Amino acid sequence: GEDVEQSLFLSVREGDSSVINCTYTDSSSTYLYWYKQEPGAGLQLLTYIFSNMDMKQDQRLTVLLNKKDKHLSLRIADTQTGDSAIYFCAEIPYGNNRLAFGKGNQVVVIP
Amino acid sequence: GAGVSQTPSNKVTEKGKYVELRCDPISGHTALYWYRQSLGQGPEFLIYFQGTGAADDSGLPNDRFFAVRPEGSVSTLKIQRTERGDSAVYLCASSPERTNTGELFFGEGSRLTVL
Repeated sequence: GEDVEQSLFLSVREGDSSVINCTYTDSSSTYLYWYKQEPGAGLQLLTYIFSNMDMKQDQRLTVLLNKKDKHLSLRIADTQTGDSAIYFCAEIPYGNNRLAFGKGNQVVVIP
Repeated sequence: GAGVSQTPSNKVTEKGKYVELRCDPISGHTALYWYRQSLGQGPEFLIYFQGTGAADDSGLPNDRFFAVRPEGSVSTLKIQRTERGDSAVYLCASSPERTNTGELFFGEGSRLTVL
């Protein structure tokens, strides 16, 4: 299936860490993605993780993948006002050529 | 610019009218995707082109929706007899034929409002 589930809203104080969670259903996806959508802008790839990895660190971003539970998370360290956006996790289900997106998490950073 | 360009950025139309939305992908990108994003939802797949042909149109909701890409570059999404439920942001994305990661490059979208 292509169901990707995410919780909806998170507010965080500037400088704190924020964690966004996602569950997915297709265990055969090769890559899992986090996309960012800022107000009035197109989606932009933020980071991705290969399915044989458990963790990926990319500057302030840490992606954790739990394949057993089909759970993906994104941690943003030292959250800044520019991190205010909607974050979507996404996968390419086996046999498809397209990304399947979750509903998104809106992150609001409070100065 | 070098990114994916979509026009118009905003379109307001009346129920029953015909609408065309245009996407100009990144030069050289052979794959082109259309998605639809309703308020509070994630993007929903509509159709995927590889070159000029529609490789996967399984996401088109009904036969009022049609898309073309006659020369393998610019694509047009066409919606006939628009309904209020068609109101959404229509997103276009492109990618090279082969990518290491499957990354898609998105345009800013065309916001369609059907009154």
